[in-house]
Amino acid sequence: SQQGEEDPQALSIQEGENATMNCSYKTSINNLQWYRQNSGRGLVHLILIRSNEREKHSGRLRVTLDTSKKSSSLLITASRAADTASYFCATATSGTYKYIFGTGTRLKVLA
Amino acid sequence: EAGVAQSPRYKIIEKRQSVAFWCNPISGHATLYWYQQILGQGPKLLIQFQNNGVVDDSQLPKDRFSAERLKGVDSTLKIQPAKLEDSAVYLCASSETGLNSPLHFGNGTRLTVT
Repeated sequence: SQQGEEDPQALSIQEGENATMNCSYKTSINNLQWYRQNSGRGLVHLILIRSNEREKHSGRLRVTLDTSKKSSSLLITASRAADTASYFCATATSGTYKYIFGTGTRLKVLA
Repeated sequence: EAGVAQSPRYKIIEKRQSVAFWCNPISGHATLYWYQQILGQGPKLLIQFQNNGVVDDSQLPKDRFSAERLKGVDSTLKIQPAKLEDSAVYLCASSETGLNSPLHFGNGTRLTVT
């Protein structure tokens, strides 16, 4: 079963614009992680936000977490063509290491 | 540090045949995961090991799938017999012990069952 659901399913933007994708989940969590997957490759960890954190930054990435709404958002600022990929959120129910991935957002950045 | 290694990279078999995938995690990573990713979907957890013990295999189709992690290092995932719906990418990931450790993924094995 899918713990997380991302939206939108697909997003197409121009280079230089910002991209925002959202993730909703169902249970109490330890943390929420975002991953990127380029076509034909494995997933690459981008950022982890703990359940007691509300916002976190890493380079051009900004992640927010609202545990009351069981949702998170990933913002990529000043997007580049190289950001074209699928983005997934992953969560583990509190106290477990069982990471369940969402359905993903396919981002296309047009040069 | 060396990443997670998986082999083979691609595999094509006929239905009812058997196939095995191999994974070598990052050295020192106690937790190992096998995920199945069908085209256009998110990864689905099949089995999770902590050292050489199974932590969760609730979504593993045990009538045809098996996995082992001998000596708490390398792992193999086997399918016997394969079905058409097993066509997918099989991803191996590993992580350090700890609730806030990220997962490190290999590039996966793309299986096509004809």
